[in-house]
Amino acid sequence: QQQVKQSPQSLIVQKGGISIINCAYENTAFDYFPWYQQFPGKGPALLIAIRPDVSEKKEGRFTISFNKSAKQFSLHIMDSQPGDSATYFCAASGSGNTPLVFGKGTRLSVIA
Amino acid sequence: GAGVSQSPSNKVTEKGKDVELRCDPISGHTALYWYRQSLGQGLEFLIYFQGNSAPDKSGLPSDRFSAERTGGSVSTLTIQRTQQEDSAVYLCASSHMATEAFFGQGTRLTVV
Repeated sequence: QQQVKQSPQSLIVQKGGISIINCAYENTAFDYFPWYQQFPGKGPALLIAIRPDVSEKKEGRFTISFNKSAKQFSLHIMDSQPGDSATYFCAASGSGNTPLVFGKGTRLSVIA
Repeated sequence: GAGVSQSPSNKVTEKGKDVELRCDPISGHTALYWYRQSLGQGLEFLIYFQGNSAPDKSGLPSDRFSAERTGGSVSTLTIQRTQQEDSAVYLCASSHMATEAFFGQGTRLTVV
C-alpha cells in the first residue's frame, strides 16, 4: 500500500532550467507535506515543507505547489544548478506527530 | 551532539548472525523513527517511538526485527538471524512535535 506516489523516477534538466517533481497522496488526514533532499552517502535533509492551509510556499529557488482538492503537491526548482543534483523525496504525515510516509524518490541530474 | 548520531556507520555481518544498530537522537526530541533504504530505493518505514506511548511497529518486516528506546533517548534496532535481503542502509530520524524530522547519516548493513 503506497500512500504517497511520486513521479518521475528520474529527471534530467539543463542548468538554468526548471525541475518539477510531482506527488499524490491518498490519506485525507495528512496535513504536513515536506520535501527532502538526499545526497549520496548522506541522510535526507529537509528542503521545504507546506501545510494545507496555503496553496504555495516559496523559499529561494524552491517552491511547493499544493492542490488539496486533487490531493497533489509538487516541487519546483527554478534556475536548476548542477549542485541540485540529488535524490528528492516527498513525504506526508498526519497530525499528532505521526510517522512520515515517503514517496519512492526522484533522482535529479542537472547538466551544464 | 548537534545532530542525530548513528553507529556503526558500516556493518558487515555473516548470514544468520544478530546485529544491533544504535541511534542517538537530538536532545529533547520526543519522536524517533527508523527507516530502511535499499540501494536506489525509497525510505521504508520500520518503527516509530513517540514519548511514552506504545511504539508504532507496523512497518517491521518480520519478527526478526525489534527496536527499543531507553529512557526516551537512545534507540537500538536489532535484527536477529540476518538474511541477505536485510542488506540496506538503516536510517534513524528524530523530531520534536509535528515538525521537521532530522535524519542521521545511516548505518550501511551488508549481510554476506
